[in-house]
Amino acid sequence: DGGITQSPKYLFRKEGQNVTLSCEQNLNHDAMYWYRQDPGQGLRLIYYSQIVNDFQKGDIAEGYSVSREKKESFPLTVTSAQKNPTAFYLCASSIDRTTAFFGQGTRLTVV
Amino acid sequence: GQQLNQSPQSMFIQEGEDVSMNCTSSSIFNTWLWYKQEPGEGPVLLIALYKAGELTSNGRLTAQFGITRKDSFLNISASIPSDVGIYFCAGYYNTDKLIFGTGTRLQVFP
Repeated sequence: DGGITQSPKYLFRKEGQNVTLSCEQNLNHDAMYWYRQDPGQGLRLIYYSQIVNDFQKGDIAEGYSVSREKKESFPLTVTSAQKNPTAFYLCASSIDRTTAFFGQGTRLTVV
Repeated sequence: GQQLNQSPQSMFIQEGEDVSMNCTSSSIFNTWLWYKQEPGEGPVLLIALYKAGELTSNGRLTAQFGITRKDSFLNISASIPSDVGIYFCAGYYNTDKLIFGTGTRLQVFP
């Protein structure tokens, strides 16, 4: 089946640790996006990438890093510099700025 | 950063009623998208709009791309309990950046 897969669905992190969230798509989409969603809030853009080996900061990039080594993959690393990382993280992919499809999300909790 | 203002923030309606929500921006958008999100899940695309004035339906849902290109509207007719969720508008700003509205939380009572 074509789609976007995020893993893991739930992730627990100790304070001071880096963690990496996976996002893979087999839709052959050029663009990929990472969003953060806090309880009862909208989606805020962290990073986005239009092509392999290129990405841009979104509105809340501080404390996060990404890579785009392959068209299919856009992993997000939540670093220890992110002071409040507990949130729901959503990955999306898009083609030609027409539509965008989401994965099922990863819920990250700092313990 | 650029924001999309969505209203109302929440709605509590009775089954069978019609629902209207809208999304406004201070900038011009080339594409408007409407999504529904259920708890713990990723947003699901409902309707995509590409031209000013465009009116598009998907079952009981109808959305319009505003003439000024700075707003969009979503209507749900004859609401049912499974319409419950959060509805988001989204748009492509500055060509590649996809940003989202603040969401409208819909509750439907039988």
